[in-house]
Amino acid sequence: DQQVKQNSPSLSVQEGRISILNCDYTNSMFDYFLWYKKYPAEGPTFLISISSIKDKNEDGRFTVFLNKSAKHLSLHIVPSQPGDSAVYFCAASSNYGGSQGNLIFGKGTKLSVKP
Amino acid sequence: DAGVIQSPRHEVTEMGQEVTLRCKPISGHDYLFWYRQTMMRGLELLIYFNNNVPIDDSGMPEDRFSAKMPNASFSTLKIQPSEPRDSAVYFCASSLGQGQGYEQYFGPGTRLTVT
Repeated sequence: DQQVKQNSPSLSVQEGRISILNCDYTNSMFDYFLWYKKYPAEGPTFLISISSIKDKNEDGRFTVFLNKSAKHLSLHIVPSQPGDSAVYFCAASSNYGGSQGNLIFGKGTKLSVKP
Repeated sequence: DAGVIQSPRHEVTEMGQEVTLRCKPISGHDYLFWYRQTMMRGLELLIYFNNNVPIDDSGMPEDRFSAKMPNASFSTLKIQPSEPRDSAVYFCASSLGQGQGYEQYFGPGTRLTVT
């Protein structure tokens, strides 16, 4: 069973508008969350992260929001640019248990930003 | 630094053949990870090493898969014998540490096709 779920396989947004990518998780032991971005024929690259002690982290045009009670996080990109078109992976990890620190990834959401 | 280097970038082989994928991590990184990406399962961790020692291989699908890290600058993932269901993109990643605050840097991946 998937512990990290990205229920939208794809998202299309107009340039300049906001992109919102969503991610849900089931394991309440997760305490660190990350977003990775992946272009075709390249490996994923780290974008932004958030610890479970926070509910928001911002880096330029990218903001990640964490709602622990709902086990939900989202990535906001404002304003969206055509260069943001990529696959975005949500990932989570826990400092506890046998898989301490291992990243559990969602299946990804393909974002297309149209000029 | 050149980043994580993987070879080959593409591999096409016939069922039953042995396949060896190679990875050179970023110099100074103590952790090395092997991931597999498929449409069905997304990005999943196969095995990871710390200081050349395998720590967690619970993600290795079966005995046909093996991984080694003979030194700090080289790792291999071997599939013997290969099967069509092994077709996927295999990523290698490295990091300075494990857990919060330690970003994993991914290589470009090896696209494996088993016919």
